[in-house]
Amino acid sequence: QVQLQESGPGLVKPSETLSLTCTVSGGAVNGYYWSWIRQPPGKGLEWIGYIYYSGSTDYNPSLKSRVTISLDTSKNQFSLILNSVTAADTAVYYCARDGYYSRGITYYYMDVWGKGTTVTVSS
Amino acid sequence: EIVLTQSPGTLSLSPGERATLSCRASQSLSSRFLVWYQQKPGQAPRLLFYGASTRATGIPDRFSGSGSGTDFTLTITRLEPEDFAVYYCQQYGSSRTFGQGTKVEIK
Repeated sequence: QVQLQESGPGLVKPSETLSLTCTVSGGAVNGYYWSWIRQPPGKGLEWIGYIYYSGSTDYNPSLKSRVTISLDTSKNQFSLILNSVTAADTAVYYCARDGYYSRGITYYYMDVWGKGTTVTVSS
Repeated sequence: EIVLTQSPGTLSLSPGERATLSCRASQSLSSRFLVWYQQKPGQAPRLLFYGASTRATGIPDRFSGSGSGTDFTLTITRLEPEDFAVYYCQQYGSSRTFGQGTKVEIK
């Protein structure tokens, strides 16, 4: 059974860089899309971006200038970097398995999620 | 960008009642690109439906999903105590976006 676990600092200073890692256990990253999603306190879900196992990426246009998602297949991990953070970036950050391509069909859904990690931006 | 608008924002119902949740897309969307999730406090979202109407593994049949074009619906025929939660729709037609959520609360 595939499980995801987010890790990284829980506190980041304004203007600095948020860096999180998602470790995939019980399965390989190959063949899948992998996404980061966040949820500010008391608010809804916001998709941040994805990386495909091939290395291709797509980002939320509202965050694109500040976001980088990377993949380390040797470690079965993918990572999020968000630059120049402000208090508005305070949120629970989730990683999720986000669809796959098989036999000519792409399956679109986030079926496995990490438990989430809280990141607070504050001095 | 495809914007998803969910209504109502909050649904106040009693156990045993029927819940009907709406998700409207700002432009026509293939049903294969519409997904529903359930989220309970302090938990990650849980996949309910993909392809608008295909139930995910372990989802009870009191839940159903339907719709096409710009209008999609999640229906819970008889609310159980564990169904009180927030429900989100999500689209894959143009990158990915989530609706703002509908909270189903106990009346």
